[in-house]
Amino acid sequence: ETGVTQSPTHLIKTRGQQVTLRCSSQSGHNTVSWYQQALGQGPQFIFQYYREEENGRGNFPPRFSGLQFPNYSSELNVNALELDDSALYLCASSLEPLDVQYFGPGTRLTVT
Amino acid sequence: RKEVEQDPGPFNVPEGATVAFNCTYSNSASQSFFWYRQDCRKEPKLLMSVYSSGNEDGRFTAQLNRASQYISLLIRDSKLSDSATYLCVVNGGTNAGKSTFGDGTTLTVKP
Repeated sequence: ETGVTQSPTHLIKTRGQQVTLRCSSQSGHNTVSWYQQALGQGPQFIFQYYREEENGRGNFPPRFSGLQFPNYSSELNVNALELDDSALYLCASSLEPLDVQYFGPGTRLTVT
Repeated sequence: RKEVEQDPGPFNVPEGATVAFNCTYSNSASQSFFWYRQDCRKEPKLLMSVYSSGNEDGRFTAQLNRASQYISLLIRDSKLSDSATYLCVVNGGTNAGKSTFGDGTTLTVKP
């Protein structure tokens, strides 16, 4: 086990709603990255937080936002959900931004 | 063109075979490189880091070629348990904290 936890495990939402996903990083890790993984594709980078600041962002619209707390846990918020947002959402923690990343088990989001 | 491209696969090999995967990346400023393994409907797990000097871990060897901007993974003496999707990851560059994954190559090892 990596020590990275995510909640909830599964979630079903309706188009237009908002969702918050949570991630607890491995002890001692100050960096958390979030990914979206659709079926048959590799994880797509959403953003990274390093010591509570955003440290990089992928090609996702502003309705994808995040937060990192002083204990380095993190949240991913998605507003105005669309059907295409249905995917596995993964978070990963690392000691530093370019280090090895350790993944949580993911949250499977279904938007209907 | 994708920033990180992998062999499309799938690779179907018999037990004991040697198989090689390649991954090319477009951002010459990229700073760190890894191979991950992902089993069906599970999270990616680190297989190994990749260095210019090469990195070997048992039956697995990874190599980075910065001049040609590709990384490789060699698996010797394939086992049934090696069946999985292998993802290459390229970190950093102009977008400091960005990690870019390839779409993965699926390996099936058959008896």
